[in-house]
Parts: sequence; C-alpha cells; structure tokens
Amino acid sequence: LAKTTQPISMDSYEGQEVNITCSHNNIATNDYITWYQQFPSQGPRFIIQGYKTKVTNEVASLFIPADRKSSTLSLPRVSLSDTAVYYCLVGDRGSSGSARQLTFGSGTQLTVLP
Amino acid sequence: NAGVTQTPKFRILKIGQSMTLQCAQDMNHNYMYWYRQDPGMGLKLIYYSVGAGITDKGEVPNGYNVSRSTTEDFPLRLELAAPSQTSVYFCASSPRESGYTFGSGTRLTVV
Repeated sequence: LAKTTQPISMDSYEGQEVNITCSHNNIATNDYITWYQQFPSQGPRFIIQGYKTKVTNEVASLFIPADRKSSTLSLPRVSLSDTAVYYCLVGDRGSSGSARQLTFGSGTQLTVLP
Repeated sequence: NAGVTQTPKFRILKIGQSMTLQCAQDMNHNYMYWYRQDPGMGLKLIYYSVGAGITDKGEVPNGYNVSRSTTEDFPLRLELAAPSQTSVYFCASSPRESGYTFGSGTRLTVV
C-alpha cells in the first residue's frame, strides 16, 4: 500500500482558496488518489477521487501531476464550516478483484479563521 | 435515508466482557470495512469483506472477529475486551470503484 505524507495542520481565512498537498512517492500504476473530510465525532466523508491530471466536482478540485507522486486538494473560498481533518489516500479501486484496503494516515487539520 | 447504520452509538464495557458492534448498509455495496480511530489519530483497518461469506484481516485484527452472512450486515465482535480497545469504531461500505460511505461511529470505552 502506498504511503502518503501530508502537512499536520494548516490555517486559512474565510473566503481564501486552500491547497493541501499530499506526497505519495511509491504510488502504483493501478492506484487512485482519494480525499476524505472528517468533522469531530463523525465518520470521514468522501470528497473527491482522481487518477491523473485534474478532477473537479461541486466541492473541490484535485490536481495530479504527470508523475503522480503527489496530489493537491484545492478548496475554493473556504468557510468556517470547512474546518476539519482532510485525509489523502492512495489505493487501487479493486480492479484486480482484491479488496481495496485504503490506509488512512493522520491527515491534515485545516482550521479556517474568521 | 440510504447509508451505513451503526449501533450502538456509545458503550462502556468492563474488562473481559464481550460485545458485538452492529453495522448495516442498504446500498447493496459489496465491500464493507471496520476501522478504529484512537484520539488524534487516523483510522486503522481492522477487518474487511469483499462480499457475503468472505472476510479478511486488516492492519489491526487482534482481539476482534467479523462475519458477513449477508450483503447488508457486517458485525464486529469483541471478545474479552481490554482497555487498549477503547476507541471509536467506524464501519464503511463501498461499491467496487468508488469512495467509502462511513457510518457515524460507535464510541467504546473499556474500563
């Protein structure tokens, strides 16, 4: 399973764009990159998933360079309610028929300040 | 609403007691997982299942057992509870090629 490295914490102000970078130097060919958000006392919530280049949904964008050894989660115009822990995970999507054992690291605590 | 339902939400156990944490999903997902999360830490995989009748160990399986008799249910059994099992337990499910849906968790304290 590919190991990921993220900053432990980040601070931002309301209305700013936040970029959280994750390193995954030993990502495998079949691996996808997935980001989750977790609020206190809740289970993680799926944000976005991608394989290469750029993926965008209504919540965030995910930028993946050509070598795929890192990825950046971009949150546009954050609000106080975006304060949470953000996890970057790398793993295959089960295409091999085996279970998808995604490993959660310690994540990045994002604090949005007024 | 569709999703993953975990019961109970809170539980206090005495050392040596046993209990079963229940998890049910109504999304017809094949994959189900049990994670534990200690304070300030990330989630660690305990057991997972790729379908009814198939289970396998994750990173921290010792002290736990699971079964998967139906697609919907994936109970986690704690035998001989120990203080080290004090944690928040999350159940999750997923289809083959998409993100996980997590339950709201069970907060377990072993005293």
